[in-house]
Amino acid sequence: KAGVTQTPRYLIKTRGQQVTLSCSPISGHRSVSWYQQTPGQGLQFLFEYFSETQRNKGNFPGRFSGRQFSNSRSEMNVSTLELGDSALYLCASSSGRGLAGISSTDTQYFGPGTRLTVL
Amino acid sequence: AQKVTQAQTEISVVEKEDVTLDCVYETRDTTYYLFWYKQPPSGELVFLIRRNSFDEQNEISGRYSWNFQKSTSSFNFTITASQVVDSAVYFCALSEFIYQAGTALIFGKGTTLSVSS
Repeated sequence: KAGVTQTPRYLIKTRGQQVTLSCSPISGHRSVSWYQQTPGQGLQFLFEYFSETQRNKGNFPGRFSGRQFSNSRSEMNVSTLELGDSALYLCASSSGRGLAGISSTDTQYFGPGTRLTVL
Repeated sequence: AQKVTQAQTEISVVEKEDVTLDCVYETRDTTYYLFWYKQPPSGELVFLIRRNSFDEQNEISGRYSWNFQKSTSSFNFTITASQVVDSAVYFCALSEFIYQAGTALIFGKGTTLSVSS
């Protein structure tokens, strides 16, 4: 079974631009979560999508948004880029149902990440 | 508030040494899940183990073992006879039980393990 794929793997942008990152989950998985990893803040949860609906959101400004398509692929968008947005963005896939339908029991499987550099 | 603490920032060992990575967590809930992930230099987070709060049975998988103790809110990870390929950053994470809500993992800051030959 193919794992989680993320494109592009590397991206360089300048301040003020916007960027779109893509994530394809493991086949059959319906939940996609996004995380930001920086040396200072570590790994932080951005948001989770399940069946094209945002189900959970972390503490990030509105410049960070996402969406999920009917095939479970997800995109995240960052508008008006700031230097502090430079990070590794990781996408995670899970079945979305977990044990007895409880999503928080799911195991999340991560992709290789997209490394974004903002100049 | 939920919190995961990995007090060890960096650990360096020589091949074949045993090494234990510490993880202490805080949560208000009685039902929760704990995870360990490994992040090699390539950047991808690799899932290692999941444990729920009702299952304190310790587990051994090859050279890996985990010690979960609710009384001390700890979920430690031991690598026996370490190898150079074990060099990576190891993350402990917590997920609370939220019925019909989304999943969000709370990660510790990670422990960088360097194994030299």
